[in-house]
Amino acid sequence: QKEVEQNSGPLSVPEGAIASLNCTYSDRGSQSFFWYRQYSGKSPELIMSIYSNGDKEDGRFTAQLNKASQYVSLLIRDSQPSDSATYLCAVNNQGGKLIFGQGTELSVKP
Amino acid sequence: DTAVSQTPKYLVTQMGNDKSIKCEQNLGHDTMYWYKQDSKKFLKIMFSYNNKELIINETVPNRFSPKSPDKAHLNLHINSLELGDSAVYFCASSQEGIEQFFGPGTRLTVL
Repeated sequence: QKEVEQNSGPLSVPEGAIASLNCTYSDRGSQSFFWYRQYSGKSPELIMSIYSNGDKEDGRFTAQLNKASQYVSLLIRDSQPSDSATYLCAVNNQGGKLIFGQGTELSVKP
Repeated sequence: DTAVSQTPKYLVTQMGNDKSIKCEQNLGHDTMYWYKQDSKKFLKIMFSYNNKELIINETVPNRFSPKSPDKAHLNLHINSLELGDSAVYFCASSQEGIEQFFGPGTRLTVL
């Protein structure tokens, strides 16, 4: 079992729709969870951090964490073509390492 | 102002050569990292330094040697380069190991 798993996609949504990205992790003791956005040929950019169960909203982005289910998600409301990128879920495990999922490629169609 | 910078941005070299990549951060962070992103875009940690002390050393060939002269700088030296070393190498930094911020990356191509 991979430590952090994401659907690889590609996930295609129409402009204005809600994009839903999902991630599961295996280390039950993990405490910190992150979503990074990576445009093609660029570096990962931190867009959301979440540390406690529930929802955290920042603009059009909402991160959701459920530690009991070992599940973290990212919702992007009113998706724009500029949101088209690969989204990386990352989990800080008990060993202090940031473990990345394989990324989900999102395509927002005008 | 660039927060985490790396040089060079591109590196093309022959098998067997030795090369170095340099990283600097001006965020005042205490921890720096090297990551490797392969052709399938999988991002994996290689090394981490906290205040110049090596704290994470993944299973990486000993041809790779990191060095941190001070907490704002982290370099990566690679000896005897192999075809499989071709990848994008990212430097990152964080304060107390929490949110990590990445540099622009160095695309290494070994011919």
